[in-house]
Amino acid sequence: EAGVAQSPRYKIIEKRQSVAFWCNPISGHATLYWYQQILGQGPKLLIQFQNNGVVDDSQLPKDRFSAERLKGVDSTLKIQPAKLEDSAVYLCASSSGTHGYTFGSGTRLTVV
Amino acid sequence: KQEVTQIPAALSVPEGENLVLNCSFTDSAIYNLQWFRQDPGKGLTSLLLIQSSQREQTSGRLNASLDKSSGRSTLYIAASQPGDSATYLCAVRRNRDDKIIFGKGTRLHILP
Repeated sequence: EAGVAQSPRYKIIEKRQSVAFWCNPISGHATLYWYQQILGQGPKLLIQFQNNGVVDDSQLPKDRFSAERLKGVDSTLKIQPAKLEDSAVYLCASSSGTHGYTFGSGTRLTVV
Repeated sequence: KQEVTQIPAALSVPEGENLVLNCSFTDSAIYNLQWFRQDPGKGLTSLLLIQSSQREQTSGRLNASLDKSSGRSTLYIAASQPGDSATYLCAVRRNRDDKIIFGKGTRLHILP
């Protein structure tokens, strides 16, 4: 089966600019997650979708971050405006519930 | 609130040695526990998934154990190789469709 696809792989932007990341989960996986991983830390959940509904966005900085999952498949994560502290790897994962998570390769964001 | 701790934070061992990575969690009411590998600048690769009813899982030179009552898991790597050098992350899940919570990882360096 195809894995979780993410794009772009790398992105460099200036602070106060906007950026968007895309994720295509494994076919049939109802649950999709976006994680933020700052260098030297474990990944931290930003938002969890079940189909196209939000299950948990308690740690999403809603003043600048937004995410959507149209039709319960692909998802986009947007940051507007970006801050220096948003520099991190953004990981998308999907799950079918019983089995574990499958992660994409991630997007490395550098804000300068 | 679930907290996951991994010890040690970093480890260097000569090639060929057997080694153990430790993971502890504060809430023993988990659904499953998953070990991941992360190479620098890359996404997460699932190594082993242990369901709450299981005691251990094996894959090749890797063996992971789970002791729910004590809140501990260990990842055993036999006959270590330079290619095993990576960060190893432990993550626990509370319910079937819940988010997973990560430790900060153990950075492993196998010396040729």
